[in-house]
Amino acid sequence: QQNVQQSPESLIVPEGARTSLNCTFSDSASQYFWWYRQHSGKAPKALMSIFSNGEKEEGRFTIHLNKASLHFSLHIRDSQPSDSALYLCAPDNNNRIFFGDGTQLVVKP
Amino acid sequence: EAAVTQSPRNKVTVTGGNVTLSCRQTNSHNYMYWYRQDTGHGLRLIHYSYGAGNLQIGDVPDGYKATRTTQEDFFLLLELASPSQTSLYFCASSDWGGQDTQYFGPGTRLLVL
Repeated sequence: QQNVQQSPESLIVPEGARTSLNCTFSDSASQYFWWYRQHSGKAPKALMSIFSNGEKEEGRFTIHLNKASLHFSLHIRDSQPSDSALYLCAPDNNNRIFFGDGTQLVVKP
Repeated sequence: EAAVTQSPRNKVTVTGGNVTLSCRQTNSHNYMYWYRQDTGHGLRLIHYSYGAGNLQIGDVPDGYKATRTTQEDFFLLLELASPSQTSLYFCASSDWGGQDTQYFGPGTRLLVL
């Protein structure tokens, strides 16, 4: 079984700020690590994923993965009001993923 | 993008009632999932399936049955609904389990009185 913890629970940042969201997991056998984003009243949607230790960048979003410390993170550069959403991390195991409880991000104009 | 539809979108029932939630995906994905989402929680997996006739138990299965009748269709059954099952239910599909993107339906909001 997998224990997934996200921090912080909520975050308010000004437009243009750099935002960091954290996720720890318990199962060292996990291989794929996902971030999903859920805007208010909408379904979750995959944002990006990482397989190997290190860093992956897509536009303003960057994932860092450190398997040894059972930690991965999402960094948002130049945060925009449209980034306001619930961010869910999800490591995989046994052909499924395990969602954390999420970080609620609000970006103030 | 993969299409996942759910019906009904909203449902109200009474304690002890029977409810069936339906999910259909049109991209021939192997895996389908049922989640519930409550305030303060992320998505909790109820049941999932990797093909027609297959069923795997998730993390919060008590009070729920599920059936995958075809590659496209996955049903969630609440045979004796209780107020604790009031929640937002999402169906999702993916091609290859944890290594593949999950595509979510729009959700079904269930209220058990």
